[in-house]
Amino acid sequence: AQKITQTQPGMFVQEKEAVTLDCTYDTSDPSYGLFWYKQPSSGEMIFLIYQGSYDQQNATEGRYSLNFQKARKSANLVISASQLGDSAMYFCAMREGRSGGSNYKLTFGKGTLLTVNP
Amino acid sequence: KAGVTQTPRYLIKTRGQQVTLSCSPISGHRSVSWYQQTPGQGLQFLFEYFSETQRNKGNFPGRFSGRQFSNSRSEMNVSTLELGDSALYLCASSNDRGSLHFGNGTRLTVT
Repeated sequence: AQKITQTQPGMFVQEKEAVTLDCTYDTSDPSYGLFWYKQPSSGEMIFLIYQGSYDQQNATEGRYSLNFQKARKSANLVISASQLGDSAMYFCAMREGRSGGSNYKLTFGKGTLLTVNP
Repeated sequence: KAGVTQTPRYLIKTRGQQVTLSCSPISGHRSVSWYQQTPGQGLQFLFEYFSETQRNKGNFPGRFSGRQFSNSRSEMNVSTLELGDSALYLCASSNDRGSLHFGNGTRLTVT
């Protein structure tokens, strides 16, 4: 079974609008971390946001927020006020186990290609 | 603060050769991990090093190896290159709080 599922291969959004990128995960470990990364065509992986499984509040970083619904095992990324520069591939990833120790192995989803239209 | 630095950015090798990729982590980060990205398989974990010790290894053949030096810099080596090794190789470094920051990657082409 896939541990990280991103069901949207591609998404389109108009500039200045908000967009939600879906991510569901599967783990039996009570301690885990969820990440979102942006990968432009240049190839670099840009860290966007992180949510720990024990974090009480949804993570936010500027225009990015993570809609964490633990019971549903979903961790959707919300980008507010989309910009043309947001056009890129977006990856959801999970680290199982507590941070630290030997738990720096991420499992990635297949990604969602976001296109922002002017 | 400088980010994760990977060298070289691009490499072209022929089958059967070997290659070494380099990664310098963010200052103060002691964990370095490596990932392979291909269109078919997506992003796959190769291995992770912490304080010069390999702590975690993905499901890759023994041709893929790595090491970490006392200054936390890491190298990844692939021997006897195959066409299927053509990929973007990404290095990530981490502090003990668990977030991973990636470098720009090395794009390897095997002909």
